[in-house]
Amino acid sequence: GAGVSQSPSNKVTEKGKDVELRCDPISGHTALYWYRQRLGQGLEFLIYFQGNSAPDKSGLPSDRFSAERTGESVSTLTIQRTQQEDSAVYLCASTDLMSSYNEQFFGPGTRLTVL
Amino acid sequence: AQSVSQHNHHVILSEAASLELGCNYSYGGTVNLFWYVQYPGQHLQLLLKYFSGDPLVKGIKGFEAEFIKSKFSFNLRKPSVQWSDTAEYFCAVHGGTSYGKLTFGQGTILTVHP
Repeated sequence: GAGVSQSPSNKVTEKGKDVELRCDPISGHTALYWYRQRLGQGLEFLIYFQGNSAPDKSGLPSDRFSAERTGESVSTLTIQRTQQEDSAVYLCASTDLMSSYNEQFFGPGTRLTVL
Repeated sequence: AQSVSQHNHHVILSEAASLELGCNYSYGGTVNLFWYVQYPGQHLQLLLKYFSGDPLVKGIKGFEAEFIKSKFSFNLRKPSVQWSDTAEYFCAVHGGTSYGKLTFGQGTILTVHP
């Protein structure tokens, strides 16, 4: 597609439920990132995928968070047993490290509200 | 660890005023620096970037930023703002072998009154 897409755009869930967020990167982009933006704060790095390399999971805040990516396509971010502090906008970005080094293209985000 | 500090949380200006948004980072090695902008209801988008060379970089919509290595700063400037510049601005840094992940500042909300 023309840009990074994310779904759903909004998600309201109850505390303790699991949620799955989806990201479709720009076609051909080898690198994919997930960030979290809490209200009034900057973006916080969560996880990074680059091709077939092992993902950099250093930003995941707890073992309730996990993410997968198949090849150079769609990625899903899963949050298990959601807590109220997980409420945030979850942003996905992709980049082609060969042609536009580190210029990350962002999706519209998924706004997660945990009640 | 890298960190980025943006000095102002909210800046309010009138049209035609000059703008300077401060950004300081902490990282001792080679860095790549970015300013991203998020207009109301829109995605984050790249405003400008510095990789190497001329420390004064020009971006879209008349914005520019100056990399001052000795001050670990990358301030964003625009000589004359417009109402359409109302947005949130984020400074970000990539350094070392962090595989491309960006460290962002907390953002500055710019409100421009017509």
